[in-house]
Amino acid sequence: NAGVTQTPKFQVLKTGQSMTLQCAQDMNHNSMYWYRQDPGMGLRLIYYSASEGTTDKGEVPNGYNVSRLNKREFSLRLESAAPSQTSVYFCASRQLPERGAYNEQFFGPGTRLTVL
Amino acid sequence: EDKVVQSPLSLVVHEGDTVTLNCSYEVTNFRSLLWYKQEKKAPTFLFMLTSSGIEKKSGRLSSILDKKELSSILNITATQTGDSAIYLCAHTNAGKSTFGDGTTLTVKP
Repeated sequence: NAGVTQTPKFQVLKTGQSMTLQCAQDMNHNSMYWYRQDPGMGLRLIYYSASEGTTDKGEVPNGYNVSRLNKREFSLRLESAAPSQTSVYFCASRQLPERGAYNEQFFGPGTRLTVL
Repeated sequence: EDKVVQSPLSLVVHEGDTVTLNCSYEVTNFRSLLWYKQEKKAPTFLFMLTSSGIEKKSGRLSSILDKKELSSILNITATQTGDSAIYLCAHTNAGKSTFGDGTTLTVKP
């Protein structure tokens, strides 16, 4: 099992450029998440997908779009990158919680994005 | 809006010391509180807490939830340099998680 994989690992963009961050998980999890982490701050939720076919905004969705392509894949798109979007982006997945079940999230290795 | 606050923001100790990290929360519908350790890359899971007063333990690390005080603590005894990391606390419910800003722990030899 690869767990949660993300591509690319690093990316440098110019202001106004667009790009898509890819995320895939092979654990058959229902829920997937995109977070950003800025220096000195914890993780902030950008978007999440509770199950295939649904997506919802998190704390900081502005400037981003997402696609839950299938159960395995959840992509994050920056349509017009801005320097404020310079951050490390983490994708995560977990199984939908049932009563008393584990709520642990599994994280990918992260994508370090710099917008000049 | 759910809120999770961790303290202290950073801590420097020497090997062998015992540390206590704090996490307080204000949430509309409590479900579970999780602790993660983040070294260079992605966070790794430590504990999940749902019931008040029940200590979870793993080696030198332990954690407990106090629902009356809306808080949790993470204890690390006999710290080692390998414990140096950011420790994240998060509240999670069915749909999403809210993370604190983390405590950066540095353990000096």
